[in-house]
Amino acid sequence: DVKVTQSSRYLVKRTGEKVFLECVQDMDHENMFWYRQDPGLGLRLIYFSYDVKMKEKGDIPEGYSVSREKKERFSLILESASTNQTSMYLCASSLYAPSEATNEKLFFGSGTQLSVL
Amino acid sequence: AQSVTQLDSQVPVFEEAPVELRCNYSSSVSVYLFWYVQYPNQGLQLLLKYLSGSTLVKGINGFEAEFNKSQTSFHLRKPSVHISDTAEYFCAVSVVNTGFQKLVFGTGTRLLVSP
Repeated sequence: DVKVTQSSRYLVKRTGEKVFLECVQDMDHENMFWYRQDPGLGLRLIYFSYDVKMKEKGDIPEGYSVSREKKERFSLILESASTNQTSMYLCASSLYAPSEATNEKLFFGSGTQLSVL
Repeated sequence: AQSVTQLDSQVPVFEEAPVELRCNYSSSVSVYLFWYVQYPNQGLQLLLKYLSGSTLVKGINGFEAEFNKSQTSFHLRKPSVHISDTAEYFCAVSVVNTGFQKLVFGTGTRLLVSP
């Protein structure tokens, strides 16, 4: 089965630090996604990538950037962490878009709980 | 743009009782509908999905959902829950023939199953 691995389960950082969240998938998927999960708000898309070095903004990209130098790895970067970026961050991947033909689905990592103090 | 409403933030239920988790969506065009489950300290996994065809969709772990176009609903049901079903459940919608980047999630419903 597909495995999406997020490097850290818990991270504690200080305000103003540069933070890297790493995600690796092992199934040669084209598409990778970074979500933020907050209580009462569900999941919100930060960025996604549909190919190496290609990226597009999601619904809440402010304060974040991403990097995809290799197909299997998608990094989320907080240039200067702030307390309002304390959250659970989820990475996901897929090979195709959803459709009756592909029967595709999203595969999620187990998440990184980031606390910014 | 499409949207999803999960009216119940938390649903407590006793073991072996039936449960229904409600999901309503809004869209002016045809949609795909999904239910995801998140067990404690884990990522999300797909429970079931409606893409086309039969409006009654069966998923993993004995869950099923019915797509009701006239009521714009996709409620999740299980006839008899187990303690292990305690988790957060997310309904999600995307417009047909768009990518997962257009997937919109609801705010989640926490199912609490007690003995």
